[in-house]
Amino acid sequence: AQKITQTQPGMFVQEKEAVTLDCTYDTSDQSYGLFWYKQPSSGEMIFLIYQGSYDEQNATEGRYSLNFQKARKSANLVISASQLGDSAMYFCAMRGAVNNDMRFGAGTRLTVKP
Amino acid sequence: GAGVSQSPSNKVTEKGKDVELRCDPISGHTALYWYRQSLGQGLEFLIYFQGNSAPDKSGLPSDRFSAERTGGSVSTLTIQRTQQEDSAVYLCASSASGGYYEQYFGPGTRLTVT
Repeated sequence: AQKITQTQPGMFVQEKEAVTLDCTYDTSDQSYGLFWYKQPSSGEMIFLIYQGSYDEQNATEGRYSLNFQKARKSANLVISASQLGDSAMYFCAMRGAVNNDMRFGAGTRLTVKP
Repeated sequence: GAGVSQSPSNKVTEKGKDVELRCDPISGHTALYWYRQSLGQGLEFLIYFQGNSAPDKSGLPSDRFSAERTGGSVSTLTIQRTQQEDSAVYLCASSASGGYYEQYFGPGTRLTVT
């Protein structure tokens, strides 16, 4: 069975600093994809970044980067130069090669302080 | 272009009534997903449509839940004989195909069963 674990229910970061949101996963699939989504208070889910299990380079998208450690089964999201607008819930998700569903973690609520 | 749209945005219904929730995916996207998000929780997969293939219904919580997708585009999620535990936000997402393509989410329908 696939499982996503986000151990930080809430995180605080000072504006302009970097923050790491943790995500570990469990799967027996050899091929899988890892995703991070942002959910502001308005409720929409916004795709941030994707990492394939066979990608050798860590994914980066602007201020977002994914610290992928395959052997440790972790896919932490790093947000650099935090902005007040980054305050939101962040969900880590995984899709395996066999199942059609995307499994989501419980989420981390990030609050950026001015 | 237009994103994923869902209607209604809010629905209040009495216990025991049937409800229909609609999703209009991004044009050209062949994959469509329904998820449920209870208050303060992560997303729970419900059902997946890919092209003309038979849907993956493995996430539907009971036989009161059903969904269809007409013409490979618009999808309707139907909940019969609603119960209070069905209260949640129902999110629809579409992607260019199945697999590891990122999913684009609609704004959701907030269902309240009284």
